[in-house]
Amino acid sequence: EAQVTQNPRYLITVTGKKLTVTCSQNMNHEYMSWYRQDPGLGLRQIYYSMNVEVTDKGDVPEGYKVSRKEKRNFPLILESPSPNQTSLYFCASSPTFDTGELFFGEGSRLTVL
Amino acid sequence: AQSVAQPEDQVNVAEGNPLTVKCTYSVSGNPYLFWYVQYPNRGLQFLLKYITGDNLVKGSYGFEAEFNKSQTSFHLKKPSALVSDSALYFCAVRPPFSGGYNKLIFGAGTRLAVHP
Repeated sequence: EAQVTQNPRYLITVTGKKLTVTCSQNMNHEYMSWYRQDPGLGLRQIYYSMNVEVTDKGDVPEGYKVSRKEKRNFPLILESPSPNQTSLYFCASSPTFDTGELFFGEGSRLTVL
Repeated sequence: AQSVAQPEDQVNVAEGNPLTVKCTYSVSGNPYLFWYVQYPNRGLQFLLKYITGDNLVKGSYGFEAEFNKSQTSFHLKKPSALVSDSALYFCAVRPPFSGGYNKLIFGAGTRLAVHP
C-alpha cells in the first residue's frame, strides 16, 4: 500500500530532551516536506526537500532540523524542544512538486511540557 | 504577504442540502489552487485542484470547486451533502515559480458539520 508513515504518532516529552520524528514514504517520491498544524493557523511549512540533494527552510524552521540521506526518509529533529513546539506535525511527499498534490502521513501529536 | 482566507470556522448544513465552503486568496500571478480534507485523527487527503482551463473543477466524493479570478476565490461545493462529509476542509495555494513555489500555503481550515 502506498503510504507516508510517521512515528511516533503521539509523544509527550519535556523541555530540552532531544527527539526525532521519523517519516518514510514507499512511493519513490522526490519531494518531501514537514508541516505543523495549529488551531486557527492551518498548516505551516517547516522544511522541505526537493530531492536528496536539496533541502531548505520553510516558513517556521526555528528550532527544527531535518536530513535527507536517502530518498524515502525525511526525519524531523527537535534538538531542544520547547513548549511552543507543542503541535500536530505532518510529513508529506509528492512525486515532484510540479503539480503541488501532496500525500500526507497521519500526523504526530507532540506535547512538550 | 501571500495568504489564504477561509472566512468561516464552521459550516453547518442539513444532509441532502447543497454546501459551500468559501476560500479567497491573496497571491500574485496565477497560482495553483487546492482543496484538502482531514478526517479525525487522519492526515490530509487531496480532493481537487485548479491549474488552468475550465473554472469549475470536479474532484473526489462528488465535490467540485469554482475558480473566480476577479474575486480571487476558489469555493468548494457539493450539490447534496452527506453526514460522512463532516470533516475539516483546507484550501491551499501554490504560488507561481517566482513567488516561492516549493510550498503550499494553507488556510486555517473550515469545519463542515452535516446534520441528519
